[in-house]
Amino acid sequence: DSGVTQTPKHLITATGQRVTLRCSPRSGDLSVYWYQQSLDQGLQFLIQYYNGEERAKGNILERFSAQQFPDLHSELNLSSLELGDSALYFCASSVGSPREDTQYFGPGTRLTVL
Amino acid sequence: GQNIDQPTEMTATEGAIVQINCTYQTSGFNGLFWYQQHAGEAPTFLSYNVLDGLEEKGRFSSFLSRSKGYSYLLLKELQMKDSASYLCAVKVAGSYQLTFGKGTKLSVIP
Repeated sequence: DSGVTQTPKHLITATGQRVTLRCSPRSGDLSVYWYQQSLDQGLQFLIQYYNGEERAKGNILERFSAQQFPDLHSELNLSSLELGDSALYFCASSVGSPREDTQYFGPGTRLTVL
Repeated sequence: GQNIDQPTEMTATEGAIVQINCTYQTSGFNGLFWYQQHAGEAPTFLSYNVLDGLEEKGRFSSFLSRSKGYSYLLLKELQMKDSASYLCAVKVAGSYQLTFGKGTKLSVIP
């Protein structure tokens, strides 16, 4: 158990819908990262937050957005869902140091878009 | 940009030793991580290298050569539970994010 929690574990929805994925980082970690992993792709970095502020953006679609709240939990919002958005979505957290900064991953949310 | 290459699949025998290679090309380098990921589960941290040389942790060791842009993960005394994907990830200087390779799927057979 990494100490990172994610809810829900599974999510099944229809095209065009909107969903929210939730992540709570490990105690003491200020940084949260979101990744997407589909069958034919590796882990794709989406976005990073540090202490409530956006720090880095990766290959995140405009239909996706995220935020980190004062209690440091984070939410990833996916809207106008398409079949291709079906994937595992992982949240990871770290201290947020510029040096060794190991990321610890949550159990993931499996999103299925029908 | 970054480019990370790993073999797609490998097979090894229980009790044996296997070496999983990773080569990378980055504009700046600030460390390399190895993660293990069982199918459908979260990646779990195995090792971190930022200086050249070998880091040993029990049955797992990781090696880095920065001049060659090369790392390997060595797994000894293989067990069936080691069947998983092994992900190599690079941290670029000045960045906080990791860039992951596509992973090497290791199958351990009796």
